[in-house]
Amino acid sequence: QQQVKQSPQSLIVQKGGIPIINCAYENTAFDYFPWYQQFPGKGPALLIAIRPDVSEKKEGRFTISFNKSAKQFSLHIMDSQPGDSATYFCAASKDTGRRALTFGSGTRLQVQP
Amino acid sequence: DTEVTQTPKHLVMGMTNKKSLKCEQHMGHRAMYWYKQKAKKPPELMFVYSYEKLSINESVPSRFSPECPNSSLLNLHLHALQPEDSALYLCASSTGSTNEKLFFGSGTQLSVL
Repeated sequence: QQQVKQSPQSLIVQKGGIPIINCAYENTAFDYFPWYQQFPGKGPALLIAIRPDVSEKKEGRFTISFNKSAKQFSLHIMDSQPGDSATYFCAASKDTGRRALTFGSGTRLQVQP
Repeated sequence: DTEVTQTPKHLVMGMTNKKSLKCEQHMGHRAMYWYKQKAKKPPELMFVYSYEKLSINESVPSRFSPECPNSSLLNLHLHALQPEDSALYLCASSTGSTNEKLFFGSGTQLSVL
């Protein structure tokens, strides 16, 4: 059973645009929601993460919006650049019991010059 | 040093071969992970070692055998693999108390002929 649903599967934006990637989760025990960025031939790298006690977190051009009641969270990339072209994975985990990350299916982002 | 180093970067093996993948980190992390990633898919957890003890085995076939010789090293021994085992094998590490901030290596691209 897929516990974290991610959309869209792929996304193309122009330079300077604001791509938005959405994720929805089912398990209300999840309490940690990271986003990972992966370039071809590399392992994923942690981009930004949020806990459900806040509704928004910004780090540089990257923002996570979190809606606990809707069990949804999203990644916004401000002023996107061609160097942001990568695959983005949302994930979720809980701090008790089985702590392993559950990944979303991924979004391939292409930022055109 | 915030790197997770994996060797080899590429590996081609036959179905009767025995090979090993190696992973090393010097960040003092006490949790280490093996993930398998197929093309255009998210990473799938295989094994978790916490304080050098196997804590999670995601029902991985016995042809994959993990080993954690010490807190800095993680191996994955491969034997009698199938062509469908061809994938990118990622090692990751994190502080032992939580799975936050996973640091991934660049992976070993494995092809089974």
